[in-house]
Amino acid sequence: SQKIEQNSEALNIQEGKTATLTCNYTNYSPAYLQWYRQDPGRGPVFLLLIRENEKEKRKERLKVTFDTTLKQSLFHITASQPADSATYLCALVGNEKLTFGTGTRLTIIP
Amino acid sequence: NAGVTQTPKFQVLKTGQSMTLQCAQDMNHNSMYWYRQDPGMGLRLIYYSASEGTTDKGEVPNGYNVSRLNKREFSLRLESAAPSQTSVYFCASETGTFEGKQFFGPGTRLTVL
Repeated sequence: SQKIEQNSEALNIQEGKTATLTCNYTNYSPAYLQWYRQDPGRGPVFLLLIRENEKEKRKERLKVTFDTTLKQSLFHITASQPADSATYLCALVGNEKLTFGTGTRLTIIP
Repeated sequence: NAGVTQTPKFQVLKTGQSMTLQCAQDMNHNSMYWYRQDPGMGLRLIYYSASEGTTDKGEVPNGYNVSRLNKREFSLRLESAAPSQTSVYFCASETGTFEGKQFFGPGTRLTVL
């Protein structure tokens, strides 16, 4: 069956360091992969989309990689700040479906 | 430009009661979606509407019905609420269908006693 796993439920990172979140998938052939941010009590907010033929995408301090051989996406936040603390969700688009992972709760420690 | 709005924000129901969750978007998007979010389960798709006048089942449609009233509005109805439907419900919209970024509403926190 199709499965999406995000590396850990929670991740604590020191302010200023790079936070790296992992999204692994099995039994998928996704056309796109997306990352969303969700703050407590709010709906998810779209951050980045990367297509299957793209290896890397950047937006300000964010970087996403997509390795279809490893079936993995990495999401990096460089120079992390306490304001980056949130839950981050990956989502795969394929076969006319969008499927979300369960998320990683990131805390940036001052 | 309010984006995606949902009402109500909170609701408590007794088992067997019915209610309708309302969703509206002002971005002229074609597609609209209803998700539920439960701890440890992630977001799961209940129903979606790829365009005005069409609706399709998602991953967990049992116990729910939907109506795409017009291009702006997409409602979710629980005919006979059950405790298993206690969850946070999110509405989302998108220009295309399952291909681009989705815009989410603030959510409705529903408790069924």
